[in-house]
Amino acid sequence: QKEVEQNSGPLSVPEGAIASLNCTYSDRGSQSFFWYRQYSGKSPELIMFIYSNGDKEDGRFTAQLNKASQYVSLLIRDSQPSDSATYLCALSGGANNLFFGTGTRLTVIP
Amino acid sequence: DVKVTQSSRYLVKRTGEKVFLECVQDMDHENMFWYRQDPGLGLRLIYFSYDVKMKEKGDIPEGYSVSREKKERFSLILESASTNQTSMYLCASSWGRGNSPLHFGNGTRLTVT
Repeated sequence: QKEVEQNSGPLSVPEGAIASLNCTYSDRGSQSFFWYRQYSGKSPELIMFIYSNGDKEDGRFTAQLNKASQYVSLLIRDSQPSDSATYLCALSGGANNLFFGTGTRLTVIP
Repeated sequence: DVKVTQSSRYLVKRTGEKVFLECVQDMDHENMFWYRQDPGLGLRLIYFSYDVKMKEKGDIPEGYSVSREKKERFSLILESASTNQTSMYLCASSWGRGNSPLHFGNGTRLTVT
């Protein structure tokens, strides 16, 4: 069983600040990492995926992967109230499925 | 865009009923999945399928079965619904072998009374 750990939060940041969400994992063999956003009562939607060590940027979002330290993070720049949601970290399970963390709840305060 | 459609948004069933949850995807994805999501427990994999008529147990298959007669359709069956199966059920699909993101349907909130 692959362990994926996230701080459940809530994480509160003021509007315009940088929100930093972190995820650690137990399996060194994991190759692919994903960040999903889930609004209350809705299903998860894919924000980003990252396969290689380093940073990957997409608009206001940056995913960071450090395989040696077994963590992946998501930075949200210029946070907006519409970013308030639960963010799920997931990693590939090898048999085509993903293992999910329990999510971090982010609140952006106007 | 990938579209994963779950047949019902909300369902209320009685204990002991047989329940069918249907999921259809329109992107010719090989892989399909059923998860349930409960507060504090996150997403838990019930069953998945990587091909027609193929199925694999996930982490919590007890009390559930699945059917995949066509590539685009994956059904979750609760043989005899119980109150502890009250949950949000999420269907997802993906393509290829490993390293592929999952695309989720809108979810079915099932209440068993």
